Amino acid sequence: GAVVSQHPSRVICKSGTSVKIECRSLDFQATTMFWYRQFPKKSLMLMATSNEGSKATYEQGVEKDKFLINHASLTLSTLTVTSAHPEDSSFYICSARERRVRDEQFFGPGTRLTVL
Amino acid sequence: QKEVEQDPGPLSVPEGAIVSLNCTYSNSAFQYFMWYRQYSRKGPELLMYTYSSGNKEDGRFTAQVDKSSKYISLFIRDSQPSDSATYLCAVSRGAQKLVFGQGTRLTINP
Repeated sequence: GAVVSQHPSRVICKSGTSVKIECRSLDFQATTMFWYRQFPKKSLMLMATSNEGSKATYEQGVEKDKFLINHASLTLSTLTVTSAHPEDSSFYICSARERRVRDEQFFGPGTRLTVL
Repeated sequence: QKEVEQDPGPLSVPEGAIVSLNCTYSNSAFQYFMWYRQYSRKGPELLMYTYSSGNKEDGRFTAQVDKSSKYISLFIRDSQPSDSATYLCAVSRGAQKLVFGQGTRLTINP
């Protein structure tokens, strides 16, 4: 099956710093990638949809200036959490849309962000 | 009203039991239905993907969709301790934006 990787898997940072999370599709080209956020024992909440070469589309309530998304190539999307605060601590998961066989989303392993 | 409702559990059953997981959704525009399994601190893994009403079987897993009732189910036969995880249903209008249920935490006891 299609493989999606994320880096780093875990990051701890100080309040006020920025953190970049990478999402890569390893064996397929993904024209669309999605970024989700998941709080403990809660479901995934879509933050934004990222299309290669264009601006991301953010869900209602998600601050686009705080969560910067770049999708510069067909295999890489990045999420930058700017000026992180403790309330940004969460599990961030990306997915990539694979269209060769059927239209599915494959998820990365997630990145756990802890802001001190 | 949430677009997708799923009982969060937790659900605990003995090994070998048949497990039934369910979701309801509110919008008949949803056409694609998926079940994901998520182990603790990992990303979701696609288990089942269905488009139409009816049953779809894959090994010990059976997905069932009833569009008339807006009801989707996942059955696990001969459950194993390794099946212990959180199971998330997801629906979509056109395989773009997925809407997830809350997830059901399942524990299979040896």
